[in-house]
Amino acid sequence: DAGVTQSPTHLIKTRGQQVTLRCSPKSGHDTVSWYQQALGQGPQFIFQYYEEEERQRGNFPDRFSGHQFPNYSSELNVNALLLGDSALYLCASSSGGGIWNSPLHFGNGTRLTVT
Amino acid sequence: GESVGLHLPTLSVQEGDNSIINCAYSNSASDYFIWYKQESGKGPQFIIDIRSNMDKRQGQRVTVLLNKTVKHLSLQIAATQPGDSAVYFCAEKAGGTSYGKLTFGQGTILTVHP
Repeated sequence: DAGVTQSPTHLIKTRGQQVTLRCSPKSGHDTVSWYQQALGQGPQFIFQYYEEEERQRGNFPDRFSGHQFPNYSSELNVNALLLGDSALYLCASSSGGGIWNSPLHFGNGTRLTVT
Repeated sequence: GESVGLHLPTLSVQEGDNSIINCAYSNSASDYFIWYKQESGKGPQFIIDIRSNMDKRQGQRVTVLLNKTVKHLSLQIAATQPGDSAVYFCAEKAGGTSYGKLTFGQGTILTVHP
């Protein structure tokens, strides 16, 4: 049973460029959340997708956008990259619409470096 | 605003000892708490969770204690092993429409010496 898978594992971009990160949720999960983890810190919530719509959003600018596909997979897009966007981007999935008693399962993340 | 913090950023123990990792939270609306383990180069791995209507929950070698009076959460690891070395995060979710949003603390680095 595959867990949450993310691609690519590592990525290097230049300031001002755009990036797309991909995530396939754990089998049986229908809700996908994205988190940003800076070095030495805990993950920060970016947004959550359920039924192909953004259901909740954290304190991130509009440069961060996403999409969820009918097969529940998801993409995170970041436009106009800044040096401060360098981080580990984590995808997490859950079942049952992400209700509170359904723990999030995380992928191993995409390490984004902006130069 | 919401915040989840840890009292100790690092914890060093000997193999076989019991470990206790502490966490303080400030959002009284939090009703669900989770402990995650994160090894180098990997994503957070679910360890154990607890709902606010409970004060203790046990898993395999782990126990989570919740004290809502003082907004404190702890993770106890019995017979700690070198493979337990990692960063441990507590996370909380507020009730209502917070859905999947977890608020994480900064983490505690656990080092287990053989």
